[in-house]
Order: sequence, then structure tokens, then C-alpha cells
Amino acid sequence: GQQVMQIPQYQHVQEGEDFTTYCNSSTTLSNIQWYKQRPGGHPVFLIQLVKSGEVKKQKRLTFQFGEAKKNSSLHITATQTTDVGTYFCAGPGGSQGNLIFGKGTKLSVKP
Amino acid sequence: NAGVTQTPKFQVLKTGQSMTLQCAQDMNHNSMYWYRQDPGMGLRLIYYSASEGTTDKGEVPNGYNVSRLNKREFSLRLESAAPSQTSVYFCASSRPGNEQFFGPGTRLTVL
Repeated sequence: GQQVMQIPQYQHVQEGEDFTTYCNSSTTLSNIQWYKQRPGGHPVFLIQLVKSGEVKKQKRLTFQFGEAKKNSSLHITATQTTDVGTYFCAGPGGSQGNLIFGKGTKLSVKP
Repeated sequence: NAGVTQTPKFQVLKTGQSMTLQCAQDMNHNSMYWYRQDPGMGLRLIYYSASEGTTDKGEVPNGYNVSRLNKREFSLRLESAAPSQTSVYFCASSRPGNEQFFGPGTRLTVL
């Protein structure tokens, strides 16, 4: 079945360092979504990428969708303690609109 | 708007007990979902409902039943709880193919 793989599983950075998480799908995706979950919280939607090669920015966050639409990345520039949490990518899982989530990358930021 | 609400927030059960997790959304979304989240496993889809009156199995449906009571409400039932069902349960809703909105979660422990 379709799989969405995410690496790394954990990332520990010093505040001010950059951070990147990578997402790979076993199949071509029509779109990819990214979510953030703060510790003890629930996943919150960040962005959806649809076009091949698309790059979108949200302040210090840069999202990319690969040319083949099988991979994506999230890059955070100059991390802050408010960036702490788990970042998930998710791709469409079927015709009914459900998603297949990666296992997430847990980011910790040392002040 | 409350978004997606879930009850209860916490629950402790003994093996073999039954319970129903409640979920409601006020965003007029057709699609609703139940996930479980375990450490290192990401979000796994238990059941989903693409529209009122329909439900479908997700990745891990064994041991669970669902009811789409109306457009707003989607409940998850554990008929005979097992320790392996100790998890955090999230309900979500969306328009098909769009971002998913998650509830705050139910933290369930089965002893």
C-alpha cells in the first residue's frame, strides 16, 4: 500500500540553527500537506502544496514539493523555541479525501 | 465557532470495558475521521466517513466501531477495551481533499 516516509524521526538543534525534515512517498502525490503538533496538543494544518516543484514560504518556514511530486521538505531558518513540536507530512490516501500521514519529525530546540 | 470538539479529554478503562468517544464539528464538513496516535507511529487512521450515512475502514479498524450520527457527529466505540488500545485518539473533519481540522484529543488508558 501507499506509504509516506519521513526523516529524521528526531532532531535536536540549538536555537538559531536551521532545521529540515524530509518526506518521501512510494507513489506520486496529487498534493502534500504539512501539519505541526505542539507537545500535548493536536495537529494543526500549516500548508498544502499542489504543483510540481512548488515552493512556498511562511515567515521562517520554507516548503518544497519535488518535481516528481513524490517528495517534499520543510525547512525552518533560525529556529526558535516556539518551533518545538512534531512536524508531519501527509498525502492523499484514496478517493474519499483521507490522508496518509508520515510518522513525523520531532523537533526540540535548546535555548 | 468551536471547530472540532471531543469528549472525554481523559479516560481510564479496565480491560474488557466498553466506551464511546464523542466528536462533533460545527464547520459543516462532509468528511470526518478518527485517528490514533502512539509514540513513534504517527497518526494512523481508524475509520473515516466521507459523508453522512457512510463509513469506511482505515488502516487500523480492528476493535473499533463508528457511527456517523448526523453531519456534525462522528463517534468511536470500543466494545471490549484492550491494553493495546491505550493511545491518544484524535477526531478530525474536512472538506474532501482539503486541510483537516483536529479536535483536542482523548487520552485513553486501558489497564
